[in-house]
Amino acid sequence: GAGVSQSPSNKVTEKGKDVELRCDPISGHTALYWYRQSLGQGLEFLIYFQGNSAPDKSGLPSDRFSAERTGGSVSTLTIQRTQQEDSAVYLCASSFRHTNYGYTFGSGTRLTVV
Amino acid sequence: AQKITQTQPGMFVQEKEAVTLDCTYDTSDQSYGLFWYKQPSSGEMIFLIYQGSYDEQNATEGRYSLNFQKARKSANLVISASQLGDSAMYFCAMTPHNFGNEKLTFGTGTRLTIIP
Repeated sequence: GAGVSQSPSNKVTEKGKDVELRCDPISGHTALYWYRQSLGQGLEFLIYFQGNSAPDKSGLPSDRFSAERTGGSVSTLTIQRTQQEDSAVYLCASSFRHTNYGYTFGSGTRLTVV
Repeated sequence: AQKITQTQPGMFVQEKEAVTLDCTYDTSDQSYGLFWYKQPSSGEMIFLIYQGSYDEQNATEGRYSLNFQKARKSANLVISASQLGDSAMYFCAMTPHNFGNEKLTFGTGTRLTIIP
């Protein structure tokens, strides 16, 4: 597609359940990023994939969070045993290496843990 | 580590006036990139403008310009002739290289409201 696609757009889950969030980046973009935005806050870096390199996981808040990127394209962010503090908008972005034109963000997944 | 500081949590500006959104940064990297993003109420992040640390001229994109003062470590966004559609959250961000393929560090944002 023309942009970064994220699904679902909204997710309500019960505390303790696992959730999977999907990101489909722009075709040909080598880099993919996950960020988290809590209500009224800035964006918090979670994880970064660049081509076939090992991902930068330095922003993942706990071992309940994991992400993978299959075939250098689609990425899935998994949150296990969700907690109420996980409620946020999860944004995915992609970019093509060596561009000055910034990252293209998806519309995000709004996760609500009840 | 990199840090972005946006000291204006909210601003109200009359339509058609120019507005400056402040951004200061801190980094030990010699080469870095600075970005501004707009986030309307719909939630999407819209790229506005980019400035490389070695670019001698201030970046401009239509009504947006970036006032880059390297010695002061500031990268203020200037919007000329503001419009009602400019009402949104604005985030300043940076990466440790000139090319936007590293993780972005964001500021806390400024909520801009344009008054008719």
